[in-house]
Amino acid sequence: GENVEQHPSTLSVQEGDSAVIKCTYSDSASNYFPWYKQELGKGPQLIIDIRSNVGEKKDQRIAVTLNKTAKHFSLHITETQPEDSAVYFCAAILLTGANNLFFGTGTRLTVIP
Amino acid sequence: ETGVTQTPRHLVMGMTNKKSLKCEQHLGHNAMYWYKQSAKKPLELMFVYNFKEQTENNSVPSRFSPECPNSSHLFLHLHTLQPEDSALYLCASSPRSGGQETQYFGPGTRLLVL
Repeated sequence: GENVEQHPSTLSVQEGDSAVIKCTYSDSASNYFPWYKQELGKGPQLIIDIRSNVGEKKDQRIAVTLNKTAKHFSLHITETQPEDSAVYFCAAILLTGANNLFFGTGTRLTVIP
Repeated sequence: ETGVTQTPRHLVMGMTNKKSLKCEQHLGHNAMYWYKQSAKKPLELMFVYNFKEQTENNSVPSRFSPECPNSSHLFLHLHTLQPEDSALYLCASSPRSGGQETQYFGPGTRLLVL
């Protein structure tokens, strides 16, 4: 089955700096890669996603890049703000007829004011 | 709010108790999911329901029993749980299963088994 690895497990940045979280996946058949943000006491919420037919996608301060050859994808947050502090999860989906998302282990991001 | 609600938000139960977790989605979706979230582990998919039919049981012990009476409601019945079952149980929904559909998560039920 699919195996998604995520690094780093914790990340601290100064407010205004950029943060980068990286994920690798094992199954080349995976072609949809969402990123979720989980704040304390809440469930994960989708913040951005990318499909395998594009290499990069941006939404304001958030961007995701995908390298299908190397089987890795990254989340980039620019101009970080304290409210960006949360746990971020990457995921990959294997199209087998069931919507089985495989999640990374999460990155706890702390933005220091 | 994501349109997916879960009750209760917190639950403490003994190993001999029977309890149920409830999930309701107000998004008109047809697929619903149960996940288990433990510390320092990836989210674990437990069950998938598509149009009220169970399409996935990810080798979950029989002490967890799901029920999906309609596309808007999903239950997880718990009995004779073990302390290692303590975790955050998340419900999610998506328009349908089997495609590149975004899943919307509820806030979760924090379960503690004593």
